[in-house]
Amino acid sequence: AQSVTQPDIHITVSEGASLELRCNYSYGATPYLFWYVQSPGQGLQLLLKYFSGDTLVQGIKGFEAEFKRSQSSFNLRKPSVHWSDAAEYFCAVGALMNSGYSTLTFGKGTMLLVSP
Amino acid sequence: EAGVAQSPRYKIIEKRQSVAFWCNPISGHATLYWYQQILGQGPKLLIQFQNNGVVDDSQLPKDRFSAERLKGVDSTLKIQPAKLEDSAVYLCASSLGRGVAGRTDTQYFGPGTRLTVL
Repeated sequence: AQSVTQPDIHITVSEGASLELRCNYSYGATPYLFWYVQSPGQGLQLLLKYFSGDTLVQGIKGFEAEFKRSQSSFNLRKPSVHWSDAAEYFCAVGALMNSGYSTLTFGKGTMLLVSP
Repeated sequence: EAGVAQSPRYKIIEKRQSVAFWCNPISGHATLYWYQQILGQGPKLLIQFQNNGVVDDSQLPKDRFSAERLKGVDSTLKIQPAKLEDSAVYLCASSLGRGVAGRTDTQYFGPGTRLTVL
């Protein structure tokens, strides 16, 4: 079965510093990978996704992620963090189910705190 | 383009009571999902609809949870009777659902309903 590991429960970054959130996945076939962000009291907003092609994908709000098949990783990065980036970030892998349809399996999330 | 709508946003009930959540997906989206997100966890899929048919409900506690998507648009998720461990945020999501097996659609999420069971 597919799974996603986000090893960091909390990360604190100074405003203006760079950010990297780690994500490792387990899936037997070619993965479809996603990063979502969730602000307090809100639903999940899609930041970026990887389906195929270029392994470095660009997303909204200045985020990017790099797919590394050899490391089963899909880490999220941002060169300069803004206070408004404080939120919870979820990595997810899309997998084919027995139904013939696909679904998402999420990691437990990483809470990003931004210090002044 | 309007997003996924959910109501109510918050609900507090006593254990053993019943509760229902409503979801209106993005117009034209064939696939609708209900997730349960317990505090400190990622969302867990409860049920997935393709139009008005269920394609995956393997993680739905069917003794107390039920869901329907009449006419293939809006959906309702019900819990009867509620337990303390049902306290969570219930998220609805939708996707185009191109129907190509193996293709993972991008899912768009609503704001969620926060349920507290006392």
